[in-house]
Amino acid sequence: NAGVTQTPKFRILKIGQSMTLQCAQDMNHNYMYWYRQDPGMGLKLIYYSVGAGITDKGEVPNGYNVSRSTTEDFPLRLELAAPSQTSVYFCASSFSPEGGTEAFFGQGTRLTVV
Amino acid sequence: GEDVEQSLFLSVREGDSSVINCTYTDSSSTYLYWYKQEPGAGLQLLTYIFSNMDMKQDQRLTVLLNKKDKHLSLRIADTQTGDSAIYFCAEMHTGRRALTFGSGTRLQVQP
Repeated sequence: NAGVTQTPKFRILKIGQSMTLQCAQDMNHNYMYWYRQDPGMGLKLIYYSVGAGITDKGEVPNGYNVSRSTTEDFPLRLELAAPSQTSVYFCASSFSPEGGTEAFFGQGTRLTVV
Repeated sequence: GEDVEQSLFLSVREGDSSVINCTYTDSSSTYLYWYKQEPGAGLQLLTYIFSNMDMKQDQRLTVLLNKKDKHLSLRIADTQTGDSAIYFCAEMHTGRRALTFGSGTRLQVQP
């Protein structure tokens, strides 16, 4: 009954450090997404993937990279952390982007860059 | 400007009805969604409505869609303390492959 699993749940990074946020889903979904949620704001799309080997930029991709080597995993990489990247990051997956299809969300990773 | 807008906060008493409003700008939106986020958790789909519908009811939830005004609302009947959460309106339209979210409405239910 795992669904979408994100690790870690919390992380504090120093400016300039790098890290990878992990996301895995066990529902055999083709579509996977990374969003960030800033306080009092909605979710902004960072990157998405329509299947293994295929990724594309969302609204706010700068400072991030992704890869999708398998259907299950969609890691998000921060190369040079900046305070502006302090946020809560959500990974999501869906069977398709078609209307009426539910997107399943992970519990989020709260990242603070100091 | 934002594609999807919501008011930030709503407070109601337990047992009352709650109405959360949302406006969107894209007339080609095909599906509109309501997601719920409880503290420390991810988003969970509550309900959705197709753009050719005016209303959808699901137990205590009623969704109303006014396409002319691009206005969406979520009514929660008999609101309970367990309904306290942030509610996000989201849209999907042809040509996009991901949802566009509003900023969320924090619903506070007072006993």
